[in-house]
Amino acid sequence: EVHLVESGGVVVRPGGSLRLSCAASGFKFGDYMMQWVRQAPGKGLEWISVISWDGGSTSYADSVKGRFTISRDNTKNFLYLQMKSLRTEDTAFYYCVVSEDGYVFDYWGQGTLVTVSS
Amino acid sequence: EIVLTQSPDFQSVTPKEKVTITCRASQTIGTSLHWYQQKPGQSPKLLIKYASQSLPGVPSRISGSGSGTDFTLTINSLEVEDAATYYCHQSTGLPLTFGGGTKVEIK
Repeated sequence: EVHLVESGGVVVRPGGSLRLSCAASGFKFGDYMMQWVRQAPGKGLEWISVISWDGGSTSYADSVKGRFTISRDNTKNFLYLQMKSLRTEDTAFYYCVVSEDGYVFDYWGQGTLVTVSS
Repeated sequence: EIVLTQSPDFQSVTPKEKVTITCRASQTIGTSLHWYQQKPGQSPKLLIKYASQSLPGVPSRISGSGSGTDFTLTINSLEVEDAATYYCHQSTGLPLTFGGGTKVEIK
């Protein structure tokens, strides 16, 4: 069974930095594309970033480009999201997602809440 | 960027009624359109992929159709457990985008 567990969400001040982690199990992590999707409280879903199976290719939404960095460690089965220059509008639940079929969001973690507030 | 427009935003439905949610893309996307269900307090769950492919474990009363720019999610004979927000998503190209969501409430 696919299991994705995000961690690292905290309250951080505007301009601050944070790293989110996602522990993956139940599937061959190194074979699949991984993604981050976020959801502001009470709002809709927003795609943030994608990383290829080997980490060699990444892409970002314009809203986070230059501030967020996605990475992965296939030896430890972990996905990461390094976030810097955080803004209040980055406040959201951040979901780790595995894409087994193209860019489809096949399985989701339970999410971790990042709150950017002074 | 491909914009997905869902309608309606909200629907209040009696059990056993039929629910129809539409998703219109700003440009043709073939069948690269997927549907997700998000129940309160939970993360989203993939329901239908590539417009009409059902997933194991998804009730047969839930189905999808469409291609090009117009897509539909149908729930036949709504059950209480179907109360949720439903999102469409396109995977034709980056940036990946979602519709705004349709909240289905049980009357």
